[in-house]
Amino acid sequence: GAGVSQSPSNKVTEKGKDVELRCDPISGHTALYWYRQSLGQGLEFLIYFQGNSAPDKSGLPSDRFSAERTGGSVSTLTIQRTQQEDSAVYLCASSLHRTSTYNEQFFGPGTRLTVL
Amino acid sequence: AQSVTQLGSHVSVSEGALVLLRCNYSSSVPPYLFWYVQYPNQGLQLLLKYTTGATLVKGINGFEAEFKKSETSFHLTKPSAHMSDAAEYFCAVIRGKLTFGTGTRLTIIP
Repeated sequence: GAGVSQSPSNKVTEKGKDVELRCDPISGHTALYWYRQSLGQGLEFLIYFQGNSAPDKSGLPSDRFSAERTGGSVSTLTIQRTQQEDSAVYLCASSLHRTSTYNEQFFGPGTRLTVL
Repeated sequence: AQSVTQLGSHVSVSEGALVLLRCNYSSSVPPYLFWYVQYPNQGLQLLLKYTTGATLVKGINGFEAEFKKSETSFHLTKPSAHMSDAAEYFCAVIRGKLTFGTGTRLTIIP
């Protein structure tokens, strides 16, 4: 597609429920990133994929968070047993490939998650 | 570790006035620096980037930034603010993953 897409755009859930957030990267982009944007914490890195593998999961805040990527394309971020502090905007980005230095990342519009 | 610090969480300027958003970085190696803009309810859009070469970089929408190693700064400027510039601006440094500053919300006063 023309850009990174994310779904849903908004998600409201009850505390304790599981949620799945989806990211469709730009076609041909092998690197995919998840970030979280929340009040008081700013923009935080969560996880990075190169192809289907995730060499850097250092930003996942707890074991309730997991992500997968299949076919080197679509990625799903899953949050189990959601808590109110999980409320945030979850941003996905993709880039052509990852080097040790620089690669421009293109961002999707985000999914706004609200946990009641 | 690499990080960036944005001075001023909120900046207000009059329409037509100079925009100056400050960013300082800390890095043990030459950094690659970015400015992103986020309009309300939208994702992040790259304004400009510094990797190597010319220290004055020009971006979209009339913005530019100058990499000053002696001051460890990468301030964002625009000579004349427009109402459409109202948004949140993030400075970021990259080494694989992006590390963002806390953001500066720019308000334009008519």
